[in-house]
Amino acid sequence: GESVGLHLPTLSVQEGDNSIINCAYSNSASDYFIWYKQESGKGPQFIIDIRSNMDKRQGQRVTVLLNKTVKHLSLQIAATQPGDSAVYFCAENDGGSNYKLTFGKGTLLTVNP
Amino acid sequence: NAGVTQTPKFQVLKTGQSMTLQCAQDMNHEYMSWYRQDPGMGLRLIHYSVGAGITDQGEVPNGYNVSRSTTEDFPLRLLSAAPSQTSVYFCASSYGTAAGGYTFGSGTRLTVV
Repeated sequence: GESVGLHLPTLSVQEGDNSIINCAYSNSASDYFIWYKQESGKGPQFIIDIRSNMDKRQGQRVTVLLNKTVKHLSLQIAATQPGDSAVYFCAENDGGSNYKLTFGKGTLLTVNP
Repeated sequence: NAGVTQTPKFQVLKTGQSMTLQCAQDMNHEYMSWYRQDPGMGLRLIHYSVGAGITDQGEVPNGYNVSRSTTEDFPLRLLSAAPSQTSVYFCASSYGTAAGGYTFGSGTRLTVV
């Protein structure tokens, strides 16, 4: 099977709970950040993005928070469902170029029914 | 609308063989990239292109070549396959400056023996 989940930070939550996935980024010049979801055997799928002139952005059941002072990004998933089980990656751009992304190593979210 | 199409889905090569991983997108995206994904390493950028006729190296370009003769296609060539190139390869495309980041293909799982 897909081995992308090995050696990853993991988060296990109960169905219906809220989940918070954290990411530290490295490039202080980055001004665009994205969260991706990757299910086993599939390519990453866009969830939500945020630009550096914002500190919070909300989508459907998801919220991204950006703290530029400490270079930290978080993804909050409300009322987590079994279908949310996946690996979640944060990505940052190359400061001014939205097409050159650097990905974090990912977090494996497991939702228990 | 097919999005990003990668072929083949699986491939086994012998050390020293060459091959081309195909990638095509039908969204008229300017930007295209190739990533490799290894356990515990996240996604690492191999090569990228900002438009037809323009390519550049990413983080791990050695052993790979690319070309971009059309907007739609961005093939990745392995010149002389090595076991270290065993990985899952993802092609992605984007408008670049628009929100939404990259759209990823479903990946090619390559094993070099």
